[in-house]
Amino acid sequence: QSALTQPASVSGSPGQSITISCTGTSSDVGGYNYVSWYQQHPGKAPKLMIYEVSNRPSGVSNRFSGSKSGNTASLTISGLQAEDEADYYCSSYTSTSLVVFGGGTKLTVL
Amino acid sequence: QVQLVQSGAEVKKSGASVKVSCKASGYIFTSYYLHWVRQAPGQGLEWMGIISPSGGSTSYAQKFQGRVTMTRDTSTSTVYMELSSLRSEDTAVYYCARVVGYSMKDAFDIWGQGTMVTVSS
Repeated sequence: QSALTQPASVSGSPGQSITISCTGTSSDVGGYNYVSWYQQHPGKAPKLMIYEVSNRPSGVSNRFSGSKSGNTASLTISGLQAEDEADYYCSSYTSTSLVVFGGGTKLTVL
Repeated sequence: QVQLVQSGAEVKKSGASVKVSCKASGYIFTSYYLHWVRQAPGQGLEWMGIISPSGGSTSYAQKFQGRVTMTRDTSTSTVYMELSSLRSEDTAVYYCARVVGYSMKDAFDIWGQGTMVTVSS
């Protein structure tokens, strides 16, 4: 099972918005609404930010939003803040091996 | 509060096995699937497998078939992940993670703190 494709890095200035893409296939991202996004700070466990494409868990800022079009899912962070600087991973249910992750995207807040 | 607490760091020789535990608390243990995910140093997340705490059924990533065994003990609300025939490439932080809802297809909302496993030759 190949990993989902994410950009290696993205950057933005405080207050700006950024979008991270996550491209898969019809066997994973495109075929199911079980796409999730995780934030991971160095040395910490991942934190769920978005599940089922666009749902936010309780306690997650509404600056984080998710969407999907075809085989590509996206995470948008608006009003960038310094504490948003982290690695972000997408994940999807897949019919072939149950779970697949993206390679991760490093977000730098300039 | 809902939490998963994992066992401590391990150092193993190549060819040995390691068994990592993950103790759940704050919720009904048998109601939520648990997954294992690992992360090699400087690398991304890699899914290893899933266990149903209620019935004990498992499903493993093809990469780990034959080398990984996931079990659970309902009396202590603990799941275990044992990886055998260790090699240097297995050096990683191993996480257990709970599914957010009742479907095994869904996301992971609660994560353990991670267990560092170092494999040396």
